[in-house]
Amino acid sequence: SQTIHQWPATLVQPVGSPLSLECTVEGTSNPNLYWYRQAAGRGLQLLFYSVGIGQISSEVPQNLSASRPQDRQFILSSKKLLLSDSGFYLCACRRGSNTEAFFGQGTRLTVV
Amino acid sequence: AQSVAQPEDQVNVAEGNPLTVKCTYSVSGNPYLFWYVQYPNRGLQFLLKYITGDNLVKGSYGFEAEFNKSQTSFHLKKPSALVSDSALYFCAVRDTTRGGGNKLTFGTGTQLKVEL
Repeated sequence: SQTIHQWPATLVQPVGSPLSLECTVEGTSNPNLYWYRQAAGRGLQLLFYSVGIGQISSEVPQNLSASRPQDRQFILSSKKLLLSDSGFYLCACRRGSNTEAFFGQGTRLTVV
Repeated sequence: AQSVAQPEDQVNVAEGNPLTVKCTYSVSGNPYLFWYVQYPNRGLQFLLKYITGDNLVKGSYGFEAEFNKSQTSFHLKKPSALVSDSALYFCAVRDTTRGGGNKLTFGTGTQLKVEL
């Protein structure tokens, strides 16, 4: 079965600093990959998804970007963090249209 | 565009009683529906899904859900709740948009609290 690795688990960064969150997938190939943000422990907002290497779709305009340099690697980045970037970031993986998505354990980002 | 609604922010139930967490959906085409559970500071865990077939779907930890096409609902149920079921529950629907990456759209979540 698929396993999603996300790191770090928690991160405290000052405003204006860069960000790089990494997500790697095991147990599958050519998956669809997703970055979600969860604010205040509730609703999930889809930020980016990728259907293949180098292919990134952005769902909402924001201060963040994503990249997929390898088939099973998905990176979330920012050049300069804002306070509003604080939240719980979740990476997810899906293989096939009628399958469930698998989630990583998340990264709690606090921008101070 | 597809969407799901979870009308209850919180559901309280006594241990041993049946529980229901409500979800309604809106989607063009055939709905692919999912339920997930989230414990504090953790990722989402898959519980069950409806793709096609029987309207009553059985999943992990004794949970089940009933797909009702006429009411566009997919309520999560469990015959006897446990304190350990207390968590945040999300309903989701698959994006049917061509080229949409098969992404899932989630509801706002329902906090389930099971008390002794």
